[in-house]
Amino acid sequence: NAGVTQTPKFQVLKTGQSMTLQCAQDMNHEYMSWYRQDPGMGLRLIHYSVGAGITDQGEVPNGYNVSRSTTEDFPLRLLSAAPSQTSVYFCASSSRDGYNQPQHFGDGTRLSIL
Amino acid sequence: GENVEQHPSTLSVQEGDSAVIKCTYSDSASNYFPWYKQELGKRPQLIIDIRSNVGEKKDQRIAVTLNKTAKHFSLHITETQPEDSAVYFCAASRNYGGSQGNLIFGKGTKLSVKP
Repeated sequence: NAGVTQTPKFQVLKTGQSMTLQCAQDMNHEYMSWYRQDPGMGLRLIHYSVGAGITDQGEVPNGYNVSRSTTEDFPLRLLSAAPSQTSVYFCASSSRDGYNQPQHFGDGTRLSIL
Repeated sequence: GENVEQHPSTLSVQEGDSAVIKCTYSDSASNYFPWYKQELGKRPQLIIDIRSNVGEKKDQRIAVTLNKTAKHFSLHITETQPEDSAVYFCAASRNYGGSQGNLIFGKGTKLSVKP
């Protein structure tokens, strides 16, 4: 199993451009989430999904959009990139079998907005 | 909503010494407390977790303690080694209705183990 796969690993954008960060998992996990990591700020939840067709906002959702059409995929869209969105983005997934299953993280996407 | 505070932000110890990282949380309904280790440029990796029905959990040189009354939990690393050097994150979440709760993370502790 590949686990959680994120693409691309690195990306440079210009202010105002849009793009989609891809996240796929092959563990049949119902729960998926997106975090951003900034120096000294830990990981902050952007959006999450508890299953196909269901998404909700986290702590810092502004400027981002998500959809969940399949169990495997959970893309994150930047609608109009801003320099404040320069960050490392992590996708994570976990099972809903039982309570509080561990979250598995992808390798991250390092995004720079010029 | 939940708020997690983590201290210290940096910690330097000599190889072989113990290291302790402390976290406090605000939501008394939180019932799951994982710890993640993140090496430079890598993904966060779960190293140990504890649920609210347990007061302490150990895994070799790593232990976590939970005080529900005081709403704080701690990570203890004994006999530290240079490869323990990394950033450590605590997190808290609450389960409700059988669904996965969202993890709220502390801001991290950079641990440096000097040989």
